[in-house]
Amino acid sequence: GQSLEQPSEVTAVEGAIVQINCTYQTSGFYGLSWYQQHDGGAPTFLSYNALDGLEETGRFSSFLSRSDSYGYLLLQELQMKDSASYFCAVTPMEYGNKLVFGAGTILRVKS
Amino acid sequence: GAVVSQHPSWVICKSGTSVKIECRSLDFQATTMFWYRQFPKQSLMLMATSNEGSKATYEQGVEKDKFLINHASLTLSTLTVTSAHPEDSSFYICSARDLKGGVSYEQYFGPGTRLTVT
Repeated sequence: GQSLEQPSEVTAVEGAIVQINCTYQTSGFYGLSWYQQHDGGAPTFLSYNALDGLEETGRFSSFLSRSDSYGYLLLQELQMKDSASYFCAVTPMEYGNKLVFGAGTILRVKS
Repeated sequence: GAVVSQHPSWVICKSGTSVKIECRSLDFQATTMFWYRQFPKQSLMLMATSNEGSKATYEQGVEKDKFLINHASLTLSTLTVTSAHPEDSSFYICSARDLKGGVSYEQYFGPGTRLTVT
């Protein structure tokens, strides 16, 4: 099976950098994804790591270390609009189509 | 990016009635669509995988006779909540992956449907 753990809540100030961690236990997966969801809205894709290392997309970066069963999402130059829930998710090799989501991290950005 | 729509965006129904939710991929074809359920402040729980032209695959614990899924075309999947009860009240979200994706890592989500059963 698969399980992914994230902190339930993180608070940071505007302009700061915040890291949201995701540790996982899974039998095998294609890659680690990150999604953002604002209250009442649809999840939107942020980033994907198939290989170990850092992927950068503008203010957002994501990191994966398969040997440590660990990944993180890094948000730089935080803005108020970044206040949202962030989910890590894996695509298990056993079920190539599916996404299995972590519990999500609520990010609160303060001014 | 690819766009997925859902209809209706919200619905209130009486206990015992059935509700149909539509999920459409607007600018791409989706052989596979997914239906999720999300309770407030919780994660997305996959209910079923909807495959065009074949039966849906339900996750463990999801009643297939209660949550009827039909994937009639490459752009449309429907979820019908039959004989709805208050405990079925939730946020239902569909997603789809692009036909060209192979083992596509990106899923495109619809805006969700908030169902309230009174």
